[in-house]
Amino acid sequence: AQKVTQAQTEISVVEKEDVTLDCVYETRDTTYYLFWYKQPPSGELVFLIRRNSFDEQNEISGRYSWNFQKSTSSFNFTITASQVVDSAVYFCALLNSGGYQKVTFGTGTKLQVIP
Amino acid sequence: GAGVSQTPSNKVTEKGKYVELRCDPISGHTALYWYRQSLGQGPEFLIYFQGTGAADDSGLPNDRFFAVRPEGSVSTLKIQRTERGDSAVYLCASSWGTSPNEQFFGPGTRLTVL
Repeated sequence: AQKVTQAQTEISVVEKEDVTLDCVYETRDTTYYLFWYKQPPSGELVFLIRRNSFDEQNEISGRYSWNFQKSTSSFNFTITASQVVDSAVYFCALLNSGGYQKVTFGTGTKLQVIP
Repeated sequence: GAGVSQTPSNKVTEKGKYVELRCDPISGHTALYWYRQSLGQGPEFLIYFQGTGAADDSGLPNDRFFAVRPEGSVSTLKIQRTERGDSAVYLCASSWGTSPNEQFFGPGTRLTVL
């Protein structure tokens, strides 16, 4: 069975603050993929990043960075110098390999950036 | 280019009625997915199509739910004898080939069963 836990239900930060969204996953597979998606108020999920289980390098994309640690089964997401446009619900998701297509999403973290 | 579109955007129906929800994937995407998202929850996988065939329907909650994709493009999710518990946002996504390729999501159909 696979599971994704996003313990932070809601986070509020003041604009320009840094914020980290936590994601912890459970899987028995050795090969899997992790994702982050953003869901703005409009409702449409937007893909942010995909990481496979063999690539533990941290990644930075502009103000976004991701920290993948297999030892703690975590895939955390940091937004640096947050902006009001970052306000959204963020989902972490897990896909096991092996021909299965069932992506398991966490319950999401609602981020509110206050101007 | 055009993204994934879903119609209707909102559907209100009465308990016991039949509904159809439509998804138009991005042109050329062979994989199509349906998810259900309840309030305050993440999307929950329902069914996955590769071409015309349902390759994995393990997420369909019961036999009242059925989906088709007859020509390998547009898909319809069909719900019979709707129940109040079916109220949710139904999301469709498509991708080139199969996961782990990026899935492109539509705006969803909000279904309300009275």
